[in-house]
Amino acid sequence: ETGVTQTPRHLVMGMTNKKSLKCEQHLGHNAMYWYKQSAKKPLELMFVYNFKEQTENNSVPSRFSPECPNSSHLFLHLHTLQPEDSALYLCASSHRPGRGRGDEQFFGPGTRLTVL
Amino acid sequence: AQSVTQLGSHVSVSEGALVLLRCNYSSSVPPYLFWYVQYPNQGLQLLLKYTTGATLVKGINGFEAEFKKSETSFHLTKPSAHMSDAAEYFCAVSSSTGTASKLTFGTGTRLQVTL
Repeated sequence: ETGVTQTPRHLVMGMTNKKSLKCEQHLGHNAMYWYKQSAKKPLELMFVYNFKEQTENNSVPSRFSPECPNSSHLFLHLHTLQPEDSALYLCASSHRPGRGRGDEQFFGPGTRLTVL
Repeated sequence: AQSVTQLGSHVSVSEGALVLLRCNYSSSVPPYLFWYVQYPNQGLQLLLKYTTGATLVKGINGFEAEFKKSETSFHLTKPSAHMSDAAEYFCAVSSSTGTASKLTFGTGTRLQVTL
């Protein structure tokens, strides 16, 4: 595997289900991110992890629970979601800034989530 | 605080015509600027980036962008559109926190290429 991978690619769940999204990066990066992409809305940053430590939580509801066991893996645990949570969830990774790499983030293909 | 404005949520061009996607930014520090492309049901792919140095940057698939500080712009161009260029394009500005990159994205421009 190369780059950033995400599983599953598609997920349909009921409002009472519990599911998890998985992200893995094979780029040797230190930072990982979760984004939410909804139709007709800008990309929303949800969480940022640096060296496994959460450094940013953008007022995300507690029904979304991230987990970062190491610098290569990132999970998003989902429970009691609402239909408005249906969206494309994107994972990204990057090097730590300030090392001349220009801060670019590398994205996975996303998980298309539908909440019924 | 950083912000990005992309003028035109939809742009349609004929195959072979010039592509021009507009991006204006606001940044309190010298910006790092990016263009990403997103094809249907895929993640975002980096097209090109500006950090420092030459203001005209070339990217993949024949795209290029010019950083104009006086106009706070970073417009994306391609001399001749191809059908495969149909996608959504996002401009982003970076504000590093020192521990992780932080990108602020525009709302995106959907490019349609017609025969």
